[in-house]
Amino acid sequence: GAVVSQHPSRVICKSGTSVKIECRSLDFQATTMFWYRQFPKQSLMLMATSNEGSKATYEQGVEKDKFLINHASLTLSTLTVTSAHPEDSSFYICSAPGAGRETQYFGPGTRLLVL
Amino acid sequence: GQQLNQSPQSMFIQEGEDVSMNCTSSSIFNTWLWYKQDPGEGPVLLIALYKAGELTSNGRLTAQFGITRKDSFLNISASIPSDVGIYFCAGQLSGSARQLTFGSGTQLTVLP
Repeated sequence: GAVVSQHPSRVICKSGTSVKIECRSLDFQATTMFWYRQFPKQSLMLMATSNEGSKATYEQGVEKDKFLINHASLTLSTLTVTSAHPEDSSFYICSAPGAGRETQYFGPGTRLLVL
Repeated sequence: GQQLNQSPQSMFIQEGEDVSMNCTSSSIFNTWLWYKQDPGEGPVLLIALYKAGELTSNGRLTAQFGITRKDSFLNISASIPSDVGIYFCAGQLSGSARQLTFGSGTQLTVLP
């Protein structure tokens, strides 16, 4: 089946720094990718929809200037958490729709810890 | 964002027992999906349902798409230790470009 990778798998950073997370579709093209955030013991919450060649669409309550999304190619979307703070510590997961009826393939997630 | 109502929140069962969990929504979905998530990993698709009333099996797993399009259940038969994890339902709305809305999850613990 289709594979989605994320890099890095985990990152620890100091408060105030920026962190970039990559999401790649390895054997298929994805004009759309989705970014989710998951806090401990909670469900996945959609943050934004990443669109290749155009601006991302953000969910209500998600700051677009804080969570910068760039979908530069048909296989890569990046999420940059700018000026990260401890409350941004979470598990960030991306997904990409497959070509068939199967809806989405999820990446393995990136654990972010902001100190 | 919107969430689906998923129950139970957690379950502790003996190995070999059957398990049932369900999701309900105030919205109609065109597709219902069930995922399993292991700690520190992304969700893995278990079963996808595309038609109201559809009953689909995947090994020991069986799921149904409610006739009203507002609910779905997942059954696991003869549970084994590796069934431990968090199970999420997810619904997809029509015209949402495959955007998913997730349930709150069911934490399953299988006791030996």
